[in-house]
Amino acid sequence: ETGVTQTPRHLVMGMTNKKSLKCEQHLGHNAMYWYKQSAKKPLELMFVYSLEERVENNSVPSRFSPECPNSSHLFLHLHTLQPEDSALYLCASSQGGSGANVLTFGAGSRLTVL
Amino acid sequence: DAKTTQPTSMDCAEGRAANLPCNHSTISGNEYVYWYRQIHSQGPQYIIHGLKNNETNEMASLIITEDRKSSTLILPHATLRDTAVYYCIVARYNAGNMLTFGGGTRLMVKP
Repeated sequence: ETGVTQTPRHLVMGMTNKKSLKCEQHLGHNAMYWYKQSAKKPLELMFVYSLEERVENNSVPSRFSPECPNSSHLFLHLHTLQPEDSALYLCASSQGGSGANVLTFGAGSRLTVL
Repeated sequence: DAKTTQPTSMDCAEGRAANLPCNHSTISGNEYVYWYRQIHSQGPQYIIHGLKNNETNEMASLIITEDRKSSTLILPHATLRDTAVYYCIVARYNAGNMLTFGGGTRLMVKP
């Protein structure tokens, strides 16, 4: 365990379903991130929250909706996804504001859209 | 942030040193070199970072050339568990922690 816990680890959903991915960090960090990793492609930064405010939204389709209710929790709400959205979704946290770019990642949630 | 170039893949014999190169010829003066690795089906893991001096920690050593246009990550005694994709990233210190990952080097440690 790295201190960043993601649930569920595996999710299969239809294109009309609504589901959510959850991330929880136990490190006292003040910034949290969602990355997407598709097969044979580099990690793509999706969203960044710093002090619970969204500071980055990397041209992500609106069918992905992030939520950060507090500095320890981050959600990614999914609705009407497409098969090409099947990927490993990685959550990370860091102590933003000062210091090196050290992100602590969770193990990821592997999403399959049928 | 400056772009990095890494070999797509490398092999290393178990117990030998693994030397992973990275070119970052457009690095600017306030950019650091960071290394992460990703073991299959896990999230990336931070390894080490440096500005211009060589750095060493319990995981690895980082050698940065004097002109800072390239660097080498050294795993002194590679084990099978070091098989992973290694990412070299150049970014400003305290850059909002918005790291951009490239394709990395797939290191295969063989018995």
